[in-house]
Amino acid sequence: NAGVTQTPKFRILKIGQSMTLQCTQDMNHNYMYWYRQDPGMGLKLIYYSVGAGITDKGEVPNGYNVSRSTTEDFPLRLELAAPSQTSVYFCASSYEAGTVSGELFFGEGSRLTVL
Amino acid sequence: AQKITQTQPGMFVQEKEAVTLDCTYDTSDPSYGLFWYKQPSSGEMIFLIYQGSYDQQNATEGRYSLNFQKARKSANLVISASQLGDSAMYFCAMRGPFDRGSTLGRLYFGRGTQLTVWP
Repeated sequence: NAGVTQTPKFRILKIGQSMTLQCTQDMNHNYMYWYRQDPGMGLKLIYYSVGAGITDKGEVPNGYNVSRSTTEDFPLRLELAAPSQTSVYFCASSYEAGTVSGELFFGEGSRLTVL
Repeated sequence: AQKITQTQPGMFVQEKEAVTLDCTYDTSDPSYGLFWYKQPSSGEMIFLIYQGSYDQQNATEGRYSLNFQKARKSANLVISASQLGDSAMYFCAMRGPFDRGSTLGRLYFGRGTQLTVWP
């Protein structure tokens, strides 16, 4: 049972480069999320999606883009990487059906360093 | 606006003792959910326990219980009989109802409490 899978786990980028963090889930969850975690801090929401074809901004969307063409996949695109984007990125998913509850299942995280 | 506050950057507890990790929240919505997650040094996020705002009883999951005091807007995590493997960062989080456009899908996290269990 794979759950939420993120790739790559580690990546070093040079300033100005672009890359895509991949995220896929096999639980048929309708909601998916991207968070970033800076050292000593909690998680901050970058983007989220409530279903295929629907995405919305979170608290810190600048410098990122997402797409949701399928239920399973929710890639995060970094354009023109900056040192401020050095962080650990978490993808998560949950199943929601009009209730408040809904445990988030997290991927293992992707550690990105921009030099 | 919604906010989660964890005022204890670090906590220490001896093995087999109980420990309480504090969490207060601020929301004007009557319907919300409260979560606790554990993040060990390996980095993954592990779901521990959930409490809905309309739940009459405090949530419990094994050695974890959530001390929910709605009037005080607090949702403290109690870990009984601490084990060395409980040493980790613990995050409190809150999410509003999904029928509200401004909070749709958002889960707000506190800054976390680093728990250290010593033998």
